[in-house]
Amino acid sequence: EPEVTQTPSHQVTQMGQEVILRCVPISNHLYFYWYRQILGQKVEFLVSFYNNEISEKSEIFDDQFSVERPDGSNFTLKIRSTKLEDSAMYFCASSEGNLAGAAGELFFGEGSRLTVL
Amino acid sequence: DAKTTQPNSMESNEEEPVHLPCNHSTISGTDYIHWYRQLPSQGPEYVIHGLTSNVNNRMASLAIAEDRKSSTLILHRATLRDAAVYYCILSRALFRNSGNTPLAFGKGTRLSVIA
Repeated sequence: EPEVTQTPSHQVTQMGQEVILRCVPISNHLYFYWYRQILGQKVEFLVSFYNNEISEKSEIFDDQFSVERPDGSNFTLKIRSTKLEDSAMYFCASSEGNLAGAAGELFFGEGSRLTVL
Repeated sequence: DAKTTQPNSMESNEEEPVHLPCNHSTISGTDYIHWYRQLPSQGPEYVIHGLTSNVNNRMASLAIAEDRKSSTLILHRATLRDAAVYYCILSRALFRNSGNTPLAFGKGTRLSVIA
């Protein structure tokens, strides 16, 4: 069964360092997303990406964050200068179609745990 | 934004059916009802979704009230592996061809399954 894969599974970094989290969405999917979950809290939407551009982003997704689809398979989340409060599990997801339609199944990866010291 | 209301937690015995309720009284006509679950230490997992009619798949059934203001996720025979947080989420259709509507997760219902 096709799946969304994420690397690294766990990254420890110093405050102020840049971090890149990588994701390989399911190959025929057109919509890509990043979510995060701080320990013990709910899953929060960060950004969605379609047709090579950001389609929606949340208040969390400020200038420190960026996303890129550098080639036909990878989808990356970059945090330019990490803060302690960026420590969380980051989930990549993809969907074949628009979530507001019949093909609205969102596939999540296993997550990348980011620890900022 | 249309919101959903779910009980914080529920408990079920193994191999018995489980009915997880969700209220969404402010749902609009174009909102799909999605259910996801999150097992411990894993990413969310799609369970089922629907618009107006009841839906069945290999994981569960979704019963949608006639007025669409509530829905129920039905697990026909709970197993220990079904212990998870279950999220009921509405997705609002905006412009179908111009992007997508992200799903906003709430706190969900934590389901415990007792052997």
